[in-house]
Amino acid sequence: QVQLQESGPGLVKPSQTLSLTCTVSGGSITSGSYYWSWIRQPAGKGLEWIGRIFTSGSTNHNPSLKSRVTMSVDTSKNQFSLKVSSVTAADTAVYYCARGNIEAAGPLDYWGQGTLVTVSS
Amino acid sequence: SYELTQPPSVSVSPGQTASITCSGDKLGDKYVCWYQQKPGQSPVLVIYRDSKRPSGIPERFSGSNSGNTATLTISGTQAMDEADYYCQAWDSSSAVFGTGTKVSVL
Repeated sequence: QVQLQESGPGLVKPSQTLSLTCTVSGGSITSGSYYWSWIRQPAGKGLEWIGRIFTSGSTNHNPSLKSRVTMSVDTSKNQFSLKVSSVTAADTAVYYCARGNIEAAGPLDYWGQGTLVTVSS
Repeated sequence: SYELTQPPSVSVSPGQTASITCSGDKLGDKYVCWYQQKPGQSPVLVIYRDSKRPSGIPERFSGSNSGNTATLTISGTQAMDEADYYCQAWDSSSAVFGTGTKVSVL
């Protein structure tokens, strides 16, 4: 059973960079036809897709965030990471990492438990 | 940018059928997924490729997609189905989530 776990600082100051890591267990991040994604959800609001990364390193981003988002993958650690630069209070949200299934037309079939990131001075 | 619109809320009596719509331009040309999210929990995939159920998802969950509208149907709704539901589709290489629908079982 695949499990994903987000980790990183819960508090980030405005204008700084938010950094999160997702650790995948129960299977290799390189096995199968999968991609690895980040999604966020402000309190009381809906889901917002941030982007995805393939183990090849190829990425796709939400156009509304693209210039501030960097994603990477570390196959040796079975992890992938997210950085969001120049954060503001609007970036305060629960951040989820998830696995996407390429063969099934791309659904997000496994999700982490989510981690709350608050942007505040 | 591509948008998916859902009704904010749907109410259903226990044992009845709940239908949640998701509207987007030429949505029928895309594959749609549906996620269920209960308070304080991560989303769970309940439908993918318009109408397929992942392992472990009850048969009362079904989906369809045609024209500009996709529909998630919950037949014989149970109290445990009370949750927020989100549709999702791909526009080019970007995932788009719907606005979300709160299903209340009254």
